[in-house]
Amino acid sequence: GENVEQHPSTLSVQEGDSAVIKCTYSDSASNYFPWYKQELGKRPQLIIDIRSNVGEKKDQRIAVTLNKTAKHFSLHITETQPEDSAVYFCAATPISSGSARQLTFGSGTQLTVLP
Amino acid sequence: SQTIHQWPATLVQPVGSPLSLECTVEGTSNPNLYWYRQAAGRGLQLLFYSVGIGQISSEVPQNLSASRPQDRQFILSSKKLLLSDSGFYLCAWGRWEGAHGYTFGSGTRLTVV
Repeated sequence: GENVEQHPSTLSVQEGDSAVIKCTYSDSASNYFPWYKQELGKRPQLIIDIRSNVGEKKDQRIAVTLNKTAKHFSLHITETQPEDSAVYFCAATPISSGSARQLTFGSGTQLTVLP
Repeated sequence: SQTIHQWPATLVQPVGSPLSLECTVEGTSNPNLYWYRQAAGRGLQLLFYSVGIGQISSEVPQNLSASRPQDRQFILSSKKLLLSDSGFYLCAWGRWEGAHGYTFGSGTRLTVV
C-alpha cells in the first residue's frame, strides 16, 4: 500500500517568513494529493490539493508543488501569520483502490508562527 | 450542500463501559465513510471504512467495532472501553469524483477514566 512520509515534524518561523513542508509518497499510482490544516482541538480542514496532471497550484499565500518523478510534494506558505499556526497533514491516494479509495496521511507538521 | 454531523463532542467514560459514537452525512448518497482516531500527538489512524450499507473494513485490530445500518449513518462502538481508547475520534466522508478527498466531522474527544 501507499506510504507517506512528512518532514519536518515541527517548524517554527518568524511572522512574515515563509514555511515549507515536504512529503514523499511510495505508490506511483497515487494521483491526488491534498493538504489539511488542523487547529488545536478542531477537525482537519482541506486547504489546498493538487492532482498528478499539475505541477503547481497556488491559492493566495499557499502553494503546493508536485514532482511525480521524484514522488514528492511540498506545501509552501508565504508571509506567514500567527493564525497559520496549526498542524498540517499531507496525504495521497492511488487510483488503483477503486471504490475503497482512502487517503494515506503523513504524520503531521506542527507549524508555529512567532510574532 | 453536503454536511457531516458527529456527536457527542466530548465524552468521559469509565473503563469497561460501552461506547457508541454516531456520524451522519447529509446531501449525498452512497458516500464512503471513515473513522479515524488521534491519540496523544498528531497522527491520524484509520480505524474503519465503509463503501456501503453493512460493508465494514477494519484497518486495526482492537476492541472497537463499526456498523453502517443506513446509507448515511456510521457508528463506532465498543462493548468495554480501555484506557488506551482515549483520543480524538473523527468521522469523515469521501468524495472521489473530481478528487475532493475527505470532509471531516467535528470530532469526539473521548476520555476513558
